[in-house]
Parts: sequence; structure tokens; C-alpha cells
Amino acid sequence: DIQMTQSPATLSASVGDRVTISCRASQSISNRLAWYQQKSGKAPKVLIYKASSLEVGVPSRFSGSGSGTEFTLTISNLQPDDFATYYCQQYDSYWTFGQGTKVEIK
Amino acid sequence: EVQLVESGGGLVKPGGSLRLSCAASGFTFSGFSMNWVRQAPGKGLEWVSLISGGGDFMYYGDSVKGRFTISRDNAKNSVFLQMNNLRVEETGVYYCARSRGVGAYRDFDSWGQGTLVTVSS
Repeated sequence: DIQMTQSPATLSASVGDRVTISCRASQSISNRLAWYQQKSGKAPKVLIYKASSLEVGVPSRFSGSGSGTEFTLTISNLQPDDFATYYCQQYDSYWTFGQGTKVEIK
Repeated sequence: EVQLVESGGGLVKPGGSLRLSCAASGFTFSGFSMNWVRQAPGKGLEWVSLISGGGDFMYYGDSVKGRFTISRDNAKNSVFLQMNNLRVEETGVYYCARSRGVGAYRDFDSWGQGTLVTVSS
């Protein structure tokens, strides 16, 4: 089974900051990685797929990079609406999520 | 607009059974694989099961194999999850989610609002 490890677990930031969340796969998954945003009490929403493709309607301040085993989600110019929990997901072999990164207000 | 609406959640005793439903609209249902994903209270996301668009292949997470069965009715644009021998630790919100496009391994581009399953004596 492929394990996904996210870091950090919690991230404190201010509006306007640039934040980076990391995700590591236990084996190579090529670019079969997605990033989701989940707000409290709501369903997850896809932001990025195929490691770096921006979902339609998602603001361009969100970007993804990486391939193989190391991936990054970057939010530039953090907005109040971005405070949420973010999950990475591999879909190279079955489907596995990272444990999540909570982005909270500093 | 894609819409996924789950139903069927509720309170069940350990060892009991429950059948979840997900009604889809706004897209050609038979053309997409469908998934169930769950989330325990305060915890992360766990993929549970997938069924292909035609219903000819199904995948399950290790923790539910042999106890859960996924199925679909393309005439009614619905996907189901039959859950047997439920455990306390399976309490949580169960989401229905659509796989993106065609092909075996894809991300999930649309999600329902979820239905709460509580397993407790």
C-alpha cells in the first residue's frame, strides 16, 4: 500500500502570507496526486490534480508542483477564505489520502 | 451542474447493517466511476470503495473487504453502499464522490454533502 505523509500537521499564517504544504509518497506515484481543501462541516473540494493542474474555478493563488515521491501545494497571498484543512491524495495505486494540514490564523 | 446527494445514514448497533444511497444528477452517470469516502469525527479522509461506470469492476479498502458491497443502478443514476457487520470505529460521515473522466485511476472531482453513520450500542 502507498502511504502519504503530509507536513506540517498545523500551519499558522497571516492573510497575505505565502504558505507551502508538503506531501511525500512512500513510493513513486508519477504525477498522480491531487490536493483537496476541506472547510469545517463541508465536503472536500479538489484544488489541484495531476500534481499541478488547477481545477476550473480555483483561484490562481493555488499551485501544485512535484513528481515521483515529493509534492508541494503553495498558496500565495493567503486569503481569509483559505483557512481550512488541506489533504493530498495519491491515485496511482488505489487511493490514499495524507493525514491533512490545518491552516489556521496566526 | 453536478449534484450528488447521499442518504441512508443513521444510528446502528455494532454488528448491524446499513445501506447508503447516493443520487446523482447533472452528468451522464454511467460514464463515470463512483466512490465512497468516509471521515471519522475529527479525523482525516479514508477511501472506502469504487465502482466502475458499467458496474463491471469494484475495489475496496482493506478495512472493509468482505463486509461492504458497492453497487449501482445506472437507470436510476444511483450508487449504493451496503455495510454489514459494522464496527464502532466506522462511525463518521460517508461521502459519495465522482472519479474524474474515464480511466482506472483518477482523482475525485465532485463530492456529495455526506451522510452521518453512527455505530453505537
